[in-house]
Amino acid sequence: DAGITQSPRHKVTETGTPVTLRCHQTENHRYMYWYRQDPGHGLRLIHYSYGVKDTDKGEVSDGYSVSRSKTEDFLLTLESATSSQTSVYFCAIRPGTSGGGTDTQYFGPGTRLTVL
Amino acid sequence: AQSVTQLGSHVSVSEGALVLLRCNYSSSVPPYLFWYVQYPNQGLQLLLKYTSAATLVKGINGFEAEFKKSETSFHLTKPSAHMSDAAEYFCAVKGVGNTPLVFGKGTRLSVIA
Repeated sequence: DAGITQSPRHKVTETGTPVTLRCHQTENHRYMYWYRQDPGHGLRLIHYSYGVKDTDKGEVSDGYSVSRSKTEDFLLTLESATSSQTSVYFCAIRPGTSGGGTDTQYFGPGTRLTVL
Repeated sequence: AQSVTQLGSHVSVSEGALVLLRCNYSSSVPPYLFWYVQYPNQGLQLLLKYTSAATLVKGINGFEAEFKKSETSFHLTKPSAHMSDAAEYFCAVKGVGNTPLVFGKGTRLSVIA
């Protein structure tokens, strides 16, 4: 157990509404990631963070923003949700120091988001 | 840039039979390679990882994978499938430093009694 929780675990919302998903870790790891999982696509990286207020875009960042004001929390926001953002969202953490190339990512339980 | 190809989106085996899930990677630098498993309605769990220490890597639940540089492959095997192995399996590759983990599209393993 890597001490990762995600909230909410399930959410149904309507097109055009803002949505924020939260990832919380208890072990003060520096690196945190947000992925989405869709059938036939595997997991695709949305955004990641390598420290407080340090974030970068991933492969599918359009329509998403992130914030990290505390080490333990990494928030993913959909400013105006669309049906194409219906997906399962996973948060991950990576232990290790700067440039630690061999460190493994550990995943949270996921949030299932449905946009109607 | 790194990429991963998993051959076969769905593999079905009989209980007790050999499990072979294929993964080929592309990387411009020596890669770090991972296999993750996802059981229904759960997150991803690390099965094993290759970090250049040994080409044959043993993981949890009796799985192992062999890194073959000449074939750019990292196939996952298990000698005898169990019903509890039914899940989705993801191969992933990572370069050095802060390069992101890149996942394959996954292979769903079904085990038939």
